[in-house]
Amino acid sequence: AQRVTQPEKLLSVFKGAPVELKCNYSYSGSPELFWYVQYSRQRLQLLLRHISRESIKGFTADLNKGETSFHLKKPFAQEEDSAMYYCALAASSARQLTFGSGTQLTVLP
Amino acid sequence: DAGVIQSPRHEVTEMGQEVTLRCKPISGHDYLFWYRQTMMRGLELLIYFNNNVPIDDSGMPEDRFSAKMPNASFSTLKIQPSEPRDSAVYFCASRMGGRTGELFFGEGSRLTVL
Repeated sequence: AQRVTQPEKLLSVFKGAPVELKCNYSYSGSPELFWYVQYSRQRLQLLLRHISRESIKGFTADLNKGETSFHLKKPFAQEEDSAMYYCALAASSARQLTFGSGTQLTVLP
Repeated sequence: DAGVIQSPRHEVTEMGQEVTLRCKPISGHDYLFWYRQTMMRGLELLIYFNNNVPIDDSGMPEDRFSAKMPNASFSTLKIQPSEPRDSAVYFCASRMGGRTGELFFGEGSRLTVL
């Protein structure tokens, strides 16, 4: 069975500092990985997916199969990045996502 | 489209009472999911439906929980009897077939059981 681990429940950084939210997974096949974000009083929404190799709101995430990781990074954090972030995995032919336990990011002024 | 619609947004009830949460998925989406969010466990999948048929309910905590989807535009999650440990935010999400990673979430129903 697949598993997603986000080791940090809480993470605080200062505005302008780099931020990295960690995500590790266990799955024997080829997974699809995603990051979801939930801003205060807003819906949980898809932020980015590894297949797209895109940068959204300055965030990037690279799938490292050797380390089974999909860390979310941003070089310069902004206060509006404060939110709950969830890493999620879709196993091959799976119809549902497996979510990590989430990391609450706070960007301090 | 207004997105996934959930009701009620907030529910406060006493232990032993029946609770019914409702969800209207996005039109055209053929998958519907119910999740529970707590600080301790994060997002847990309770059950999901495909074309109104329950596919996997292995995440439902116990027999006190039940879910139905009588048609493509409506689903309910029922807890009877409710207990204080059921206090959480319950999310409904929907998606189109073939788009496993692209879930659209509702705003959630915050349940408090006293």
